[in-house]
Amino acid sequence: DTAVSQTPKYLVTQMGNDKSIKCEQNLGHDTMYWYKQDSKKFLKIMFSYNNKELIINETVPNRFSPKSPDKAHLNLHINSLELGDSAVYFCASRQTGMNYNEQFFGPGTRLTVL
Amino acid sequence: AQSVTQPDIHITVSEGASLELRCNYSYGATPYLFWYVQSPGQGLQLLLKYFSGDTLVQGIKGFEAEFKRSQSSFNLRKPSVHWSDAAEYFCAVGARAGGGADGLTFGKGTHLIIQP
Repeated sequence: DTAVSQTPKYLVTQMGNDKSIKCEQNLGHDTMYWYKQDSKKFLKIMFSYNNKELIINETVPNRFSPKSPDKAHLNLHINSLELGDSAVYFCASRQTGMNYNEQFFGPGTRLTVL
Repeated sequence: AQSVTQPDIHITVSEGASLELRCNYSYGATPYLFWYVQSPGQGLQLLLKYFSGDTLVQGIKGFEAEFKRSQSSFNLRKPSVHWSDAAEYFCAVGARAGGGADGLTFGKGTHLIIQP
């Protein structure tokens, strides 16, 4: 069974459109994240959710909004897509606790904005 | 805020040769340190992690890393590389926040090329 899954794997869309990327984890973790990997392969955290509460909100445009319908899902919604949004987006999850337990990553979603 | 520096953007190694990938971090306390590998078109796979204790940690695929507090380093090593090791390698630091939901801070990655 896949621990962290994302759909779709590839997403090609036009500028100005609104799109969503879904993420599900079956690990029972209490925290989920979204990362963006740009064309130079630099990974940067975008959001994290813990118990349905947004914990980190980096300096990302407000066109991006994470939505968590339940503890196992953290979907990423993007409005008014721009060319610069083209990247690979990774979902991850972690169980918080005394130690900084490792994060498990999904396979990524490659978003291409035309 | 923490930061991670991977000074080598690209490294080329002959198959069978030894490998060392450098990683330096900046953090006010003892950090949690990770090495991830990303094969072309794939997601991130954890190679190894350091939390505390023995400063030499063993990982999967024959990799090891040594935490050196005095040098703020966490270099990744492998005694003999295989062609399948060609990939992008990321060093990352996680903040100790009492269980708070902090994300990982990644270095910019080192692209490993294996020569036959």
